[in-house]
Amino acid sequence: NAGVMQNPRHLVRRRGQEARLRCSPMKGHSHVYWYRQLPEEGLKFMVYLQKENIIDESGMPKERFSAEFPKEGPSILRIQQVVRGDSAAYFCASSRTGGFVTNEKLFFGSGTQLSVL
Amino acid sequence: RKEVEQDPGPFNVPEGATVAFNCTYSNSASQSFFWYRQDCRKEPKLLMSVYSSGNEDGRFTAQLNRASQYISLLIRDSKLSDSATYLCVVISRSGSARQLTFGSGTQLTVLP
Repeated sequence: NAGVMQNPRHLVRRRGQEARLRCSPMKGHSHVYWYRQLPEEGLKFMVYLQKENIIDESGMPKERFSAEFPKEGPSILRIQQVVRGDSAAYFCASSRTGGFVTNEKLFFGSGTQLSVL
Repeated sequence: RKEVEQDPGPFNVPEGATVAFNCTYSNSASQSFFWYRQDCRKEPKLLMSVYSSGNEDGRFTAQLNRASQYISLLIRDSKLSDSATYLCVVISRSGSARQLTFGSGTQLTVLP
């Protein structure tokens, strides 16, 4: 039972290019969360998705950022026209349920380190 | 005020010491609480859940104080391998879904 898989592990982009980060949740998990961690800072919530639905995107910048979790395939976090300030570690996590289940645990992927030159 | 606040540290303690971290949260309707551990910018890993009655897992004890809105983590007999950043996580309701909010983390270094 593979864990949460993220790829690529490292992604280098020049300013103005697009970045696509992929996340495959654990088997049996249909809820995905994306977090961003800037250098020397904590994890900041970006978006929470269920299959084909965005449940909560309150932490995601309104421009240039988008996320999807299609019926088939991994969840994708897309950053258009990247800027240096987008350089960060992006972690994806999944859970089996997303309802208000006490102590439902999150499992994290190894993250994608995005570097914008 | 941040939703979840932690003392960033760093806490530098000798091996064998007892160390405690606190984490405060602002949403009184928060329901569930966890401690995660993060090593050197790797992915966070669940350390333990936090129950109202307090719970213990080996050298680790977690407690919740709902009245004062804080959770704590106590580590006894610190080991070098305990060096990491400890993140508290608070779960609250956001509409019909749940929202997980992480603290910024407390850095612990256990010295030989």
